[in-house]
Amino acid sequence: AQSVTQLDSQVPVFEEAPVELRCNYSSSVSVYLFWYVQYPNQGLQLLLKYLSGSTLVESINGFEAEFNKSQTSFHLRKPSVHISDTAEYFCAVGHTGGFKTIFGAGTRLFVKA
Amino acid sequence: SQTIHQWPATLVQPVGSPLSLECTVEGTSNPNLYWYRQAAGRGLQLLFYSVGIGQISSEVPQNLSASRPQDRQFILSSKKLLLSDSGFYLCAFSGDYEQYFGPGTRLTVT
Repeated sequence: AQSVTQLDSQVPVFEEAPVELRCNYSSSVSVYLFWYVQYPNQGLQLLLKYLSGSTLVESINGFEAEFNKSQTSFHLRKPSVHISDTAEYFCAVGHTGGFKTIFGAGTRLFVKA
Repeated sequence: SQTIHQWPATLVQPVGSPLSLECTVEGTSNPNLYWYRQAAGRGLQLLFYSVGIGQISSEVPQNLSASRPQDRQFILSSKKLLLSDSGFYLCAFSGDYEQYFGPGTRLTVT
């Protein structure tokens, strides 16, 4: 069975500071990994994904995540956050032929001025 | 392009009343469809998924049901709402790998 653990439920950070949101997963098969972002009262939007190939993946708004197979992690990082990055972030895992995506419990990122 | 619609956006219903939430998808055919619920301050809970018309899999036993009368239509229903049914309901469909989510319905049961 697959599972996803997001190690921090809330992360407060000052504007322009770096941030890391941690995600660990458990799976007995090869996985696809995702980060989604949810702004208040909206649906989830895909932020970035790892399917295969380069273990470092990037989003268009400056986030990046690195797939680490040995540590079964997929942490999300941004070197300098903005107020507009305040949102909830979900790590998720899927696999080939699977109908379901397993989501973590979410990490609420709060960027302070 | 692929789009997903949900309605209504918000809903306030008394305990014991029926529920019907609708989700439609455009720009794709035979998608896998999903209903999720988010309770306040909680993560996503998968309620139902469907791989085709009339094919519904239930993940959590409860007083909710789902139906898929058409390829790109997914409906979440209840005959009698409970207070615990309050939450944010999200519909989603699968792309090649990732899921695409609708805007959600905020349901408050009073």
